[in-house]
Amino acid sequence: GAGVSQSPSNKVTEKGKDVELRCDPISGHTALYWYRQRLGQGLEFLIYFQGNSAPDKSGLPSDRFSAERTGESVSTLTIQRTQQEDSAVYLCASSLAPPRVRINEQFFGPGTRLTVL
Amino acid sequence: TQLLEQSPQFLSIQEGENLTVYCNSSSVFSSLQWYRQEPGEGPVLLVTVVTGGEVKKLKRLTFQFGDARKDSSLHITAAQPGDTGLYLCAGLKTSYDKVIFGPGTSLSVIP
Repeated sequence: GAGVSQSPSNKVTEKGKDVELRCDPISGHTALYWYRQRLGQGLEFLIYFQGNSAPDKSGLPSDRFSAERTGESVSTLTIQRTQQEDSAVYLCASSLAPPRVRINEQFFGPGTRLTVL
Repeated sequence: TQLLEQSPQFLSIQEGENLTVYCNSSSVFSSLQWYRQEPGEGPVLLVTVVTGGEVKKLKRLTFQFGDARKDSSLHITAAQPGDTGLYLCAGLKTSYDKVIFGPGTSLSVIP
């Protein structure tokens, strides 16, 4: 079956430009997560959606970062006025339900590698 | 401040050796997971542990959740080059509605 897909797989942009990263979660998964992973490091939580709502935006690094989700499906992460420190792999994950008492498996996409020159 | 610490940060071993990596916290987690991430791919779930003291085995991998549910270990027996990757632990705190990832242990198994 189809897994989580992300596009583009690679994005090279110039400093100051805006970029949009797309995530298509597994059909029926209500929870969706965005993470940032710098080279050789772990996952940095950015934002979490339950349905189309974002109850936790605490990880967004600055107001240049925003995300939305529509139709309880596709999500877009937008970075405005990109900076060199935004260069990283951006990973999206989805799960059947949000974490409650028990942790759920997160299914990850392959990521978008963003390079800001 | 990292809520979850992992050690060692890097590990390079010869094929056939045994190894243990650790995930530690000062906080209690209701459940904990281990993921493995290969280069250029997203993490993939290996195991979920939910009970203090729980031990789970997955072929050559043995996972243990500490009695106090503050720590976990992953032991690999007779490591193979296919075990190479970044091992991430992830925990769910009862006071949070969010999964927290550790920084990972990067394992390299040399043929």
